[in-house]
Formats: sequence, structure tokens, C-alpha cells
Amino acid sequence: AQSVTQPDIHITVSEGASLELRCNYSYGATPYLFWYVQSPGQGLQLLLKYFSGDTLVQGIKGFEAEFKRSQSSFNLRKPSVHWSDAAEYFCAVLRPFGGSQGNLIFGKGTKLSVKP
Amino acid sequence: GAVVSQHPSRVICKSGTSVKIECRSLDFQATTMFWYRQFPKQSLMLMATSNEGSKATYEQGVEKDKFLINHASLTLSTLTVTSAHPEDSSFYICSAPTPNYGYTFGSGTRLTVV
Repeated sequence: AQSVTQPDIHITVSEGASLELRCNYSYGATPYLFWYVQSPGQGLQLLLKYFSGDTLVQGIKGFEAEFKRSQSSFNLRKPSVHWSDAAEYFCAVLRPFGGSQGNLIFGKGTKLSVKP
Repeated sequence: GAVVSQHPSRVICKSGTSVKIECRSLDFQATTMFWYRQFPKQSLMLMATSNEGSKATYEQGVEKDKFLINHASLTLSTLTVTSAHPEDSSFYICSAPTPNYGYTFGSGTRLTVV
């Protein structure tokens, strides 16, 4: 069965510093992977997604993620964090269902705090 | 782009009463809607999948009679928490698939049962 692990529950970085949020997945075939961001009490916003092709994926807000099959990882990175990036970040993998698109399976999330 | 409008954003109800949460697709037809529940500082757990015109599919461990899901039209899916208890207090989010393996999420409903 598909699963996602986000090892870090809470990360604090200084504004302007680089960021890397870890994500490991479990899936037998080529996974469809996603990163979402959630502000408190809000829904989820898609940052980026990977299906195939170039393993380095560019997203919105200056985020990027790299798919590494050998490590079963899909880590999210940003070269310079802004205070507005403070939020909860979720990694997700698609669970196909028959002939339909299927639903997402989420990791437990990583809360990002940004120090001034 | 595809937008899902979820209402209410917050609701407080008394134990034993029922609460209905609505998710409407505003500019597209949502034949499928996923309903998630999110506990504080936890991930989103899929509760059920609703499909327009047919019965919802519930995940293992989710009480069908407790969480009634209706998907009567291509633009509206509802989740009714029946006979609510304090342990049902949570954040509920709906999500609809969009083309090219996209997903659009509602803004969520914070349910508090007192």
C-alpha cells in the first residue's frame, strides 16, 4: 500500500536561510507525488507535483522538489525562506483507484516556523 | 481555475445534533468528491469518496451511518455528521479531482461539538 513519511514534525529556519523538507514514499510503481501547503484553518494549496520526466520539479513561490527513486524521496527545497512561508507542508502520493484518478495519501506534515 | 466552495467555515453544535457541510464546485463539474478529516497537528485522513448519482465509498473504520455523504448533483456534495459528539470535533476538508491529476480543495470546516 502507498504511504508517505515526513520525518520532521517541526522545523524552524531563519528568514533568508535555505530550506529542505523531507519526504519519503512507499509505492511499487512510479509514484505521482505532490507537495501542498496549508495555512492555519485553511485548505490546501498545491506547490508542485511530479509525474514523470525531469526529476527536478519547479513549483510556485520559489519552491522546487527533486524526485530520487533510489532513495524513495521527494524533498522540497527553497533557497531563501520568507516569513510568509511559515505554514504546514504536506507531501502526498496518489493512490490510483480502478480506472479513476484516485485520491491522495498524505504524510503527517511538517510545520515550518520562520525566525526573523 | 477550478474552485470548490466549502461551507460553513466554522460551526459549533450541541451534542446529539446533526451538522451538514457543503462543498460546491463553482466552475466545473465534480463527479467525484473526496472527504478528509484532519485532527489537530495531524495529517488528512480520507473518510470517504462520493460519486455523483451513486453511493459513497467509505474507508475502513468510518461509520457510514455517522457520516452521511450525498452527491446528488455534479456541483454539490454534502457531508452530514449525525448525532454529533465531542469526539467528532475536527477539521473537515473536501477535495475534487481536476484534469491532469490535479486536486482542488475546499477551505475546510472547523466543527466543534459541545
